[in-house]
Amino acid sequence: GAVVSQHPSRVICKSGTSVKIECRSLDFQATTMFWYRQFPKQSLMLMATSNEGSKATYEQGVEKDKFLINHASLTLSTLTVTSAHPEDSSFYICSAREKGALYNEQFFGPGTRLTVL
Amino acid sequence: GNSVTQMEGPVTLSEEAFLTINCTYTATGYPSLFWYVQYPGEGLQLLLKATKADDKGSNKGFEATYRKETTSFHLEKGSVQVSDSAVYFCAQFSGGYNKLIFGAGTRLAVHP
Repeated sequence: GAVVSQHPSRVICKSGTSVKIECRSLDFQATTMFWYRQFPKQSLMLMATSNEGSKATYEQGVEKDKFLINHASLTLSTLTVTSAHPEDSSFYICSAREKGALYNEQFFGPGTRLTVL
Repeated sequence: GNSVTQMEGPVTLSEEAFLTINCTYTATGYPSLFWYVQYPGEGLQLLLKATKADDKGSNKGFEATYRKETTSFHLEKGSVQVSDSAVYFCAQFSGGYNKLIFGAGTRLAVHP
């Protein structure tokens, strides 16, 4: 089946620094990629949707200047958490969908656990 | 707004025990319903789905029936195996919101 990778799997950073998380579709072209966030014991929440070559669409309440998303190619999307603070500590998951696929036919990465000290 | 609520884990079972993980939803209209599974170190994978009331989704011995009357989509398996240990997510998709809405996930641990 289709594989999506994320890097890094775990990152610890100091408050005020920026962190970049990569999401790659390994064996298919992802015209749409999604970024989710999950706080402990809470639901997986969609943060933003990005289409290759276009600006990302952010969900209500998600700061686009803080969570920068770049989807510059059909196999790579990046999420940069700028000026990270402890409240940004969370589990970040990306998913990818091929052109023409049904909405639920998303392939998920294994996630990145971010800890901000 | 639309939401999904699932039972809090962890759920700990012995091998060959019967599994039920409860999931209820709130929605305007009739969303499609899904169960995803996440094995350790891997991404979420679609386990099964149902797109309309009374549909039963099934896969790998797991089943879930779309119950409109009780707005539920409980996951069941008659005899769990150690290899079923994972986190299970219930989710819905409705055209009105145009996004997958997930529950918090339920961790299942199966012991020999």
